[in-house]
Amino acid sequence: QLQLQESGPGLVKPSETLSLTCTVSGGSISSSSYYWGWIRQPPGKGLEWIGSIYYSGSTYYNPSLKSRVTISVDTSKNQFSLKLSSVTAADTAVYYCARQGSDYAVSRHWGQGTLVTVSS
Amino acid sequence: DIVMTQSPDSLAVSLGERATINCKSSQSVLYSSNNKNYLAWYQQKPGQPPKLLIYWASTRESGVPDRFSGSGSGTDFTLTISSLQAEDVAVYYCQQYYSTPPGYTFGQGTKLEIK
Repeated sequence: QLQLQESGPGLVKPSETLSLTCTVSGGSISSSSYYWGWIRQPPGKGLEWIGSIYYSGSTYYNPSLKSRVTISVDTSKNQFSLKLSSVTAADTAVYYCARQGSDYAVSRHWGQGTLVTVSS
Repeated sequence: DIVMTQSPDSLAVSLGERATINCKSSQSVLYSSNNKNYLAWYQQKPGQPPKLLIYWASTRESGVPDRFSGSGSGTDFTLTISSLQAEDVAVYYCQQYYSTPPGYTFGQGTKLEIK
């Protein structure tokens, strides 16, 4: 059964870089049938797609975040990662990783999410 | 960018009654080449990630109870719960996956409670 697990610091200082990793188990991140995405949800608010990556390394970013986002993949570790630079309090959110279909991009499988707070 | 707008923002329905949530997209999400609407619905309970309920606007995900149904086409869509159960209390989101895949955008969410 496919499982995704986010990991990384729960507290980041303003202006620094948020870094998270998603570890995939029960399936290969190298499958050509899927993208691997990051989605966030500020406390009490809605869902925002941050970006996605294909196993080949092709990346797709939300235009509103593109200048600050880097997503990478490590197929040897079955992991993909998110870096968000120059964070502010507005970046405080639960960050989810999720698998997306490559034929149609819905997400059936999600991590449990990790809360990242931006505060000094 | 396609903007998704849900109505109402919150809804209280009695157990066993019908619940209806609406979703409107700022442009059509119907892809003419395959006649499919690139619209999904998710359910999110507190402390949990979203759960896919419906895709292609009306195709129920495996394991989702048949009291959940989706309808609509083009820019206007509806999620209906035919007979509300206590476990259906959640926030519901519509999502378009039409524009710039694999990117997608969500509606603001509709909070469903028991009356």
